[in-house]
Amino acid sequence: DAGVTQSPTHLIKTRGQQVTLRCSPKSGHDTVSWYQQALGQGPQFIFQYYEEEERQRGNFPDRFSGHQFPNYSSELNVNALLLGDSALYLCASSLVGQQNNEQFFGPGTRLTVL
Amino acid sequence: RKEVEQDPGPFNVPEGATVAFNCTYSNSASQSFFWYRQDCRKEPKLLMSVYSSGNEDGRFTAQLNRASQYISLLIRDSKLSDSATYLCVVTYYNQGGKLIFGQGTELSVKP
Repeated sequence: DAGVTQSPTHLIKTRGQQVTLRCSPKSGHDTVSWYQQALGQGPQFIFQYYEEEERQRGNFPDRFSGHQFPNYSSELNVNALLLGDSALYLCASSLVGQQNNEQFFGPGTRLTVL
Repeated sequence: RKEVEQDPGPFNVPEGATVAFNCTYSNSASQSFFWYRQDCRKEPKLLMSVYSSGNEDGRFTAQLNRASQYISLLIRDSKLSDSATYLCVVTYYNQGGKLIFGQGTELSVKP
C-alpha cells in the first residue's frame, strides 16, 4: 500500500522565482492538504483540495496556489519566492468521512530560497 | 496569542523517566485533538488521538480537559527511541480537515 509521496525531496531557488511541488496521496484517499513548516515551528495549514477544488485556505498570500487532478494528486505553486518561503512543505492525504479525519503525511519537500 | 501553545523544550531525560507534555488551545470550538510525533527531518506521524475520557496506548497516556482547554501527554518508562518532537494538534468544527499544530516540544532521552 503506497503511502503519500512528494517530489522533489529538495529544491533550491532564488528570490523571485516560481516553484511547483507535487504530491500523490495514499491509495484510496481523495483529499490533499498542504502545510508549510518553518525551522523550529509546527506545520502551518496552507490549503486543502477535494474534488479538484480548494475547500479551505489558511492565512497565506495569493502567491501560494494549488491544483488537484482527477487522480487526486496535487500540486502546490509558489510565485515570486521570498527568503521567508524557505521551509519544509508537507502534503497530507485523507479520506472524506473517515473517523477522526486522520491525515497521513508525505516526507516533504525541503525548499531553500537564496 | 497562538491558537495552540506548547512548551518548546527541549526536555532532556534519562532512560526510564516519566515525562509529561502540556498543551493549551485558545478556541473552545475545538473538535478533535491529537498528538503527533515528528522525528528529526521527517514527516509528522499520528501518535494518538485524545479523548475526553482520557486514553492510554502502552506507555503513552493522553488526557483532555475541555473546561481548561488543556491537553497532556504522559510518557512512562522513556526509551531512547522516544526521542523526537511531539506536536499537539487540534481541529475545529466546520473546518473540515484543517489541522492546527502547536510548535512542538522536543524530547531527548539519554542513556
